[in-house]
Amino acid sequence: EAGVTQSPTHLIKTRGQQATLRCSPISGHTSVYWYQQALGLGLQFLLWYDEGEERNRGNFPPRFSGRQFPNYSSELNVNALELEDSALYLCASSLVFGAYNEQFFGPGTRLTVL
Amino acid sequence: GDSVTQMEGPVTLSEEAFLTINCTYTATGYPSLFWYVQYPGEGLQLLLKATKADDKGSNKGFEATYRKETTSFHLEKGSVQVSDSAVYFCALLSGSARQLTFGSGTQLTVLP
Repeated sequence: EAGVTQSPTHLIKTRGQQATLRCSPISGHTSVYWYQQALGLGLQFLLWYDEGEERNRGNFPPRFSGRQFPNYSSELNVNALELEDSALYLCASSLVFGAYNEQFFGPGTRLTVL
Repeated sequence: GDSVTQMEGPVTLSEEAFLTINCTYTATGYPSLFWYVQYPGEGLQLLLKATKADDKGSNKGFEATYRKETTSFHLEKGSVQVSDSAVYFCALLSGSARQLTFGSGTQLTVLP
């Protein structure tokens, strides 16, 4: 069974540009989560999507946004990039039923903002 | 709010040594607890989990017991291998928000 996939593996942008990151969940999983792993800040929750709707949002500014498509894949958009947005962005997926279903992570997209 | 406090690293051990990485948490309600491992250049892999008090999670020789009375979930392994070198994250999941709250991570290096 294929795991969570993310693309691209690496992304280099300059300040002020927009970045788009993509995630495909495990087949049968309807929930997708985004996390940021920035140097010195650890792993922080960004967004949770389920059935095409944003269900929860972490403490990030509105220029971090995303969406979930009918096939449950997801896109994370970061507008007006700042240097501190440089980080590893991890996507995870889980089943929808049950409050404590484990989240399975993808390999991440390394975003570098110059 | 929820928080996880994890033993500061880095930790360096010789092969076959005993490993303990401490983890304590603060949460409302009854969270599920997890240990994730991150190998160099990779994403997170779930190592083990426990969903209620006194549960013991185990996998690949690693163990952790959910201790509600001490709000702890310490990771242990009796004999580490070089291949265990990685960063280990303690995490909790509580309530309906579905967001994992992570500790700061502990870098483990095992020397041959």
